[in-house]
Amino acid sequence: GAVVSQHPSRVICKSGTSVKIECRSLDFQATTMFWYRQFPKQSLMLMATSNEGSKATYEQGVEKDKFLINHASLTLSTLTVTSAHPEDSSFYICSARTTVNEKLFFGSGTQLSVL
Amino acid sequence: EDKVVQSPLSLVVHEGDTVTLNCSYEVTNFRSLLWYKQEKKAPTFLFMLTSSGIEKKSGRLSSILDKKELFSILNITATQTGDSAVYLCAVRTTGTASKLTFGTGTRLQVTL
Repeated sequence: GAVVSQHPSRVICKSGTSVKIECRSLDFQATTMFWYRQFPKQSLMLMATSNEGSKATYEQGVEKDKFLINHASLTLSTLTVTSAHPEDSSFYICSARTTVNEKLFFGSGTQLSVL
Repeated sequence: EDKVVQSPLSLVVHEGDTVTLNCSYEVTNFRSLLWYKQEKKAPTFLFMLTSSGIEKKSGRLSSILDKKELFSILNITATQTGDSAVYLCAVRTTGTASKLTFGTGTRLQVTL
């Protein structure tokens, strides 16, 4: 089946630093990738939709200047949490949609802890 | 605003029991409903439903969609401890702004 690779799986950083998370579709092309955030014991909350070669579409309440998304190729999207603060600590997960059957495949997630 | 509601929020059953998980939705421009199983990290895909009344089966799991009443159920028969997970329901909309809206999930625990 299709594989989505997400790195890093875990990151601990100091408050004020920026963190970049990568999401790659390994064996398929993904014109659309999605970024989610999940707090403990809660559901996935869509943050933004990333389309290759164009600007990301952010959900209401998500600061686009804080969560920078780049989708430079059909296999790679990145999420950069700029000037991270403790309240940004969360589990971030990406997903990629295949162009063939439009199924959605998820990365393994990144646990971000901001001290 | 699109909304997906799952019930129950959590459930504890004994191995061998049968469980039914519920998902109701209110969205504009419905396209499909998806069920995922989330254990530790990434959700894994279970079913995608687009048509009413057609049951999808995979082993001990089955699911059906009712587009008139706007809900879906996920059944698990003869549960095993390995079925313990959070089961997520998500609804996808049509159009250029197509996105996936997730429910809060049902946390299932299967005990011996």
